[in-house]
Amino acid sequence: QSALTQPASVSGSPGQSISISCTGTSGDIGGFNYVSWYQQHPGKAPKLIIYDVSTRPSGVSDRFSGSKSGNTASLTVSGLQAEDETDYYCSSYTYSGTVIFGGGTRLTVL
Amino acid sequence: QLRLQESGPGLVRPSETLSLTCTLSGASLSSGSSYWAWIRQPPGQGLEWIGSIYYSGNTYYNPSLESRVTISGDMSKSHFSLRLSSVTAADTAVYFCARGGFGYLFLFDIWGQGAIVTVSS
Repeated sequence: QSALTQPASVSGSPGQSISISCTGTSGDIGGFNYVSWYQQHPGKAPKLIIYDVSTRPSGVSDRFSGSKSGNTASLTVSGLQAEDETDYYCSSYTYSGTVIFGGGTRLTVL
Repeated sequence: QLRLQESGPGLVRPSETLSLTCTLSGASLSSGSSYWAWIRQPPGQGLEWIGSIYYSGNTYYNPSLESRVTISGDMSKSHFSLRLSSVTAADTAVYFCARGGFGYLFLFDIWGQGAIVTVSS
């Protein structure tokens, strides 16, 4: 199984909104509403920020939102803040009953 | 509050078997009908799901690693383990254990801090 496809990097200015795409196939993202997003600061464990495509766990800022269209999921970060600058990973359940991650996207706040 | 902690050798020789343990504090493996997972991250690279064990003892593995991986646990206790055989330099990574959130296999809501494992002679 190949990794989900994410852009290597995205950037935006404070206060702006950015979106990170995550592209898979009909056998993963397109077939299930089981897309998750993780935020990972350097040297730390990933933190779950979105699950089931668009649900935020308790305590996660509402500046983070998720969506999906076909085989592509997206994470949107609105009102960019300096603390948002880090790495983001998507993941999905697959038709073979396994879990697949994206390659990761580095978000830079200009 | 549930916490996870990985432990094991930080250095493994090529062709040998990597062994790690994840210890839970604040719960047992049978708590909440959960899945328990191992995930790794090679230096400077992305995340890779290795596999998961369900509270019933059923296991699920990444097909690319399945021939070399064993995840085991005593469901009445508070730890589960990873064994990865015939390791090479490509298995050098930070290894995380994590809980399958909300009873799901495919999302991870609580993570350990990670254990660095280097494969080298």
